[in-house]
Amino acid sequence: GAVVSQHPSWVICKSGTSVKIECRSLDFQATTMFWYRQFPKQSLMLMATSNEGSKATYEQGVEKDKFLINHASLTLSTLTVTSAHPEDSSFYICSADLQGDGQPQHFGDGTRLSIL
Amino acid sequence: GENVEQHPSTLSVQEGDSAVIKCTYSDSASNYFPWYKQELGKGPQLIIDIRSNVGEKKDQRIAVTLNKTAKHFSLHITETQPEDSAVYFCAASRGDSGNQFYFGTGTSLTVIP
Repeated sequence: GAVVSQHPSWVICKSGTSVKIECRSLDFQATTMFWYRQFPKQSLMLMATSNEGSKATYEQGVEKDKFLINHASLTLSTLTVTSAHPEDSSFYICSADLQGDGQPQHFGDGTRLSIL
Repeated sequence: GENVEQHPSTLSVQEGDSAVIKCTYSDSASNYFPWYKQELGKGPQLIIDIRSNVGEKKDQRIAVTLNKTAKHFSLHITETQPEDSAVYFCAASRGDSGNQFYFGTGTSLTVIP
């Protein structure tokens, strides 16, 4: 069964809306979670590394104020896309470090975000 | 930083034939190499991985080989079935806590019945 649950799986909203995506680790604690973005027929691009109890580490070119990440517990990380615009439409995927050794092996099923 | 290249980008094989996907990496410090299968509209699923202290690993119809000297690793799928059709991604990482994965560009595999 799935070890990482991501919600919602699909969201459509109007431009200017803020959207929150949840990533939960099931039956294990995840000190580190990762957020990726994937465009159609392209590879996964790491956006940020989410660490429980501390600030997320963002990759170069990713706007911290645009993509807010919160990792308040060992089983939940959230990504909030603030004031979303059509160019933010994408497939967002999280992963969690199952073994606690820095090697994330389990991904959520992704969230398809469509901004009208 | 690490650069992972993956080939081919698309691959079609007849059911029952073998499929091979190849990746190269640039960072000699990388020591963990997972392979993921992604079906349409889903997140990637780990199918097999290999660490740098091993040259080959097999799990039923799937095998991965690693050549550290040449910095390349390959995925081998034997006796392919239509349900193997998906996009496959290779990745490389240093394996340290919190270290990121560097993904290849993906291979779209189609198994023709």
